[in-house]
Amino acid sequence: QVQLQESGPGLVKPSETLSLTCAISGYSIRSGYYWGWIRQPPGKGLEWIASMYHSGSTYYSPSLRSRVTISVDTSKNQFSLNLTSVTAADSAVYYCARFQRMAPNMWGQGTMVTVSS
Amino acid sequence: NFMLTQPHSVSESPGKTVTISCTRSSGSIAGNYVQWYQQRPGRSPTTVIYDYNERPSGVPDRFSGSIDSSSNSASLTISGLRTEDEADYYCQSYDSGNQVFGGGTKLTVL
Repeated sequence: QVQLQESGPGLVKPSETLSLTCAISGYSIRSGYYWGWIRQPPGKGLEWIASMYHSGSTYYSPSLRSRVTISVDTSKNQFSLNLTSVTAADSAVYYCARFQRMAPNMWGQGTMVTVSS
Repeated sequence: NFMLTQPHSVSESPGKTVTISCTRSSGSIAGNYVQWYQQRPGRSPTTVIYDYNERPSGVPDRFSGSIDSSSNSASLTISGLRTEDEADYYCQSYDSGNQVFGGGTKLTVL
């Protein structure tokens, strides 16, 4: 059974970098699919952030492209998100997900990240 | 870039049928697959419809999807409404690597 588990700090200071990791179990990241991140501010809707293939092909949201990096560590079967220069507007539940044809078809449980001093 | 517009909320009685629309602002709705996700409070979204009208295993056939090219929109229809269907529903599509979610529709079953 494939499972995705997000991890990372729950609190980040303004102007710093938000870093999250998604560990995959039950499936090798090398076997296929795109993998990526989606976020949801409290009480608001879903926003796609970025997706990438294990070989390095990446897609970024136009609105976040300048601040986002997604990377894959095949040796640890995980992938990561870095979001720089965060503000309160970046406070959200961050989901990692598996994507098929540009659409998420499996989600992690989500992790809340609050940006505050 | 394009947007997907959904009604903020809909409500209907148990046993009835409800339809949630998702209108694409630019580009053809038929040009890229549309997905629908259900999100219950405090939970991760789950797929109820993918590729316009396909249901993942385990999703009841009360859920169906369609598109209308004349209005450039997709629709999610839920028949035989149950109280457990009360949730937020999001449409999703993409274009040239950019992925977009609709703003979400809160379904109340009362």
